[in-house]
Parts: sequence; C-alpha cells; structure tokens
Amino acid sequence: DAGVIQSPRHEVTEMGQEVTLRCKPISGHDYLFWYRQTMMRGLELLIYFNNNVPIDDSGMPEDRFSAKMPNASFSTLKIQPSEPRDSAVYFCASSRTGVGHQPQHFGDGTRLSIL
Amino acid sequence: QKEVEQNSGPLSVPEGAIASLNCTYSDRGSQSFFWYRQYSGKSPELIMFIYSNGDKEDGRFTAQLNKASQYVSLLIRDSQPSDSATYLCACYPGFQKLVFGTGTRLLVSP
Repeated sequence: DAGVIQSPRHEVTEMGQEVTLRCKPISGHDYLFWYRQTMMRGLELLIYFNNNVPIDDSGMPEDRFSAKMPNASFSTLKIQPSEPRDSAVYFCASSRTGVGHQPQHFGDGTRLSIL
Repeated sequence: QKEVEQNSGPLSVPEGAIASLNCTYSDRGSQSFFWYRQYSGKSPELIMFIYSNGDKEDGRFTAQLNKASQYVSLLIRDSQPSDSATYLCACYPGFQKLVFGTGTRLLVSP
C-alpha cells in the first residue's frame, strides 16, 4: 500500500504569500492529522479530521491557518498570509481508527521556509 | 511545564551497548504511550506502544511503563549505528490527540 503522500516536499516563499500544503492519506484510514515540527516546540498537532470532518482545530495557531478535507483522499493546509515564524516542517499523518490503540502513519513532510 | 518531557541529548553509547531513553508525562489520565523513531530529515515512524504497567519487548526494543511514577522508557539492546536517530515519546491523554515530547537524540558510535 502507498503511504501518506505529501506535496510539495520543500517550499520556499516570501512573507505575505499564500502557501498550500497537500496530503493524500492512506486509503481506508478514517483519521487525518496535520502536525507542525520545530526544534523549539517539537511536534505539535494543528488539526485533525475524522471521516473528512474537522474535529479539533485548537492547535491551529492563528486565523491565518486553515485546513480542509473535501474528500477521503485529499486534504490541504493553507497559510495566508505567511510569516517567517511559520517556517517549520509540516507533517500529515493518518490512522485507520482512533489513535489510542492504532499507529499513526506519517508522510514525508513539507519543509516550509518563509523568507 | 511541558506535558511530555524528554532529555534532548545527545545520548552517546558505543555499538553493542544498551541505550536507555526516558520520558516523563504530566497527565495522569494518559492511557497509552508510544515511541517513535525519527531519522534526520525523515518522518517519525512507530517503534512500540505500551498500555499496561511493566515491560513490553519487541526484538531489541523494550518499553517500560510506570504509571505511578508517570514514567516511560525505551531500552535498545545491542545498539547499532543504524539506531542513531531522534526518539520521540508520545502519550495519549484522550480525544484522539497524541502529545509528543521534543525527542532525545541518540548517537551510537562504531
């Protein structure tokens, strides 16, 4: 089975630009998670979806961040406008059922640099 | 206070030795605990998870859980240079959300 697929792998853009990160979860997985990883704060959950519905977005840092999951095989994380402090690695992960007893499978991540 | 605490390291061990990685957590309601390995520039991958107090062994890896002390550890026996990575501890306090520590970097020297 293909794993979680994220695109782009790297993104470099200037402050103020819109950034869109994409994720295709593993087929059959009901949960999708967006994480941000920085050296200082580690891996932080931004938002997660269950059956395409956003369940908890309390980790989204500001209104500049938004996420959608229009269908079971695609999700986007958008930052508009982007700022240098948004520079981080963004991971998408999926799991078949709830995370308490099932592993999360991570994509390769998008390394985002905002200049 | 972070919910999951790990020493950032690096923890340096010689090849063939036992590496001991430790993690403490603050939420007593946490139900399960996970260890992920992350190579530099790569994504986290699950090594082990544990729910019950005591030890759980899988090959060279042993996870240990002590809920009374709110302490989780990962032992790696016969450490290999290929084990050099950052090890992330995560706890599950509920509501489908894992809380990760910032990780311990392990260096295994030949």
